[in-house]
Amino acid sequence: QKEVEQDPGPLSVPEGAIVSLNCTYSNSAFQYFMWYRQYSRKGPELLMYTYSSGNKEDGRFTAQVDKSSKYISLFIRDSQPSDSATYLCAMMPNNDMRFGAGTRLTVKP
Amino acid sequence: EAQVTQNPRYLITVTGKKLTVTCSQNMNHEYMSWYRQDPGLGLRQIYYSMNVEVTDKGDVPEGYKVSRKEKRNFPLILESPSPNQTSLYFCASSFLGTGEAFFGQGTRLTVV
Repeated sequence: QKEVEQDPGPLSVPEGAIVSLNCTYSNSAFQYFMWYRQYSRKGPELLMYTYSSGNKEDGRFTAQVDKSSKYISLFIRDSQPSDSATYLCAMMPNNDMRFGAGTRLTVKP
Repeated sequence: EAQVTQNPRYLITVTGKKLTVTCSQNMNHEYMSWYRQDPGLGLRQIYYSMNVEVTDKGDVPEGYKVSRKEKRNFPLILESPSPNQTSLYFCASSFLGTGEAFFGQGTRLTVV
């Protein structure tokens, strides 16, 4: 079993849809949870960063962490074509980051 | 501008010919790491460094070497590249204990 599981998709939605991206994990020591966005031919860039359980909102993006279920989510409201990218979940206990496989999202105009 | 710079961006080489991919950051980060990205496997850590002269193996270190003689630089060395090292490589840096990693633009390596 992988330490971090993420459905690679691909996921295709119409513009304006609400997108839900998810990851599960097995290591109880993870306490930092991140979502990175990676555009084609670019390096990943940090999108959301949360510590421990709870919700965090930033504009159209909401990150949720449920440590009891070992489950994290990223919601994108009013999705735009510019949101088309690969989204990688990441988590770590202290310094060593563990990534999911990434979900490729396409938002169609 | 805060950035992580990798060179080269693209590289085609032959089996067994030693190569080095350079990585430099200008943010005074203690932590630097190398990843390879393969379809369906996501980002896998090759080596990491918590500070100058401190390096350690990640999940897939076989066939790679690194050094950290200066805080800003963290080169990745392939002493004898093989075709299974064909991949997209990323260097990243961050402050210790944070999840805010900055990534380079990637190096696409092909070993024939």
